[in-house]
Amino acid sequence: EAQVTQNPRYLITVTGKKLTVTCSQNMNHEYMSWYRQDPGLGLRQIYYSMNVEVTDKGDVPEGYKVSRKEKRNFPLILESPSPNQTSLYFCASSLETSGRGSSYNEQFFGPGTRLTVL
Amino acid sequence: AQSVAQPEDQVNVAEGNPLTVKCTYSVSGNPYLFWYVQYPNRGLQFLLKYITGDNLVKGSYGFEAEFNKSQTSFHLKKPSALVSDSALYFCAVSWGYQKVTFGTGTKLQVIP
Repeated sequence: EAQVTQNPRYLITVTGKKLTVTCSQNMNHEYMSWYRQDPGLGLRQIYYSMNVEVTDKGDVPEGYKVSRKEKRNFPLILESPSPNQTSLYFCASSLETSGRGSSYNEQFFGPGTRLTVL
Repeated sequence: AQSVAQPEDQVNVAEGNPLTVKCTYSVSGNPYLFWYVQYPNRGLQFLLKYITGDNLVKGSYGFEAEFNKSQTSFHLKKPSALVSDSALYFCAVSWGYQKVTFGTGTKLQVIP
C-alpha cells in the first residue's frame, strides 16, 4: 500500500529535550515536506526537500532541522523544543515533475504527529 | 505576496442539499490550485486540482470545483451533500517552484 508513515503519532516532551519525528514514504517520491497545523492558521510549511541531500526552508523553519540522506526518509529534528512548537505535524510527499517541482503535483500526507512541549 | 483565503471557518448544510466551500487566491502568474480534505485524526487527502484547461474540475467523492480567473476563486462544490462529507477542507495554491500555501481551512458540517 502506498503510504507516508510518521512516528511517533503522539509525543509529550519537555522544553529543551531534543527529539526527532521520523517520516518515510514508499512511493519513490522525490519531493518531501514538513508542515505544522495550528488552529486558525491552517498548514504552514516548515522545510521541504527536492531530493536526496537537497533541502530548503519553508515559511516557518526556525527551531527545526531536517535531513534527507535517503530518498524515502525525511526526519524532522527539534534540537531544543519550546512550548510554541506544540502543534500537529504532517509529513507529505509528491512526485517531482521535471521543471515544475512539486507545484504541479498533489501531495500525499502522513497521519500526523501531535507534539506537546511542556 | 501569494495568499489563499477561505472566508468561512464553518459551513453548515443539510444532507441532500448542494454545498459550496469558498476559496479565493492571490498569486502573480498562473496558479495551480488544489483542494484537500481532512477527516478527524487523519492526514490530508487530495480531492482535486486545477492546473490548466477546463475551468470545471471533477474530483473524488463527487466533488468538483470551478476555476474563475476573473474572480480569482476556486470554490469547491457538490450537488448533494452526505453526512460522511463532514470534515475539514483546505484550499491550497502553488506557484513558482516548490512553493505552496494552504488556506486556514473550512469545517463542513452536514446535518442529517
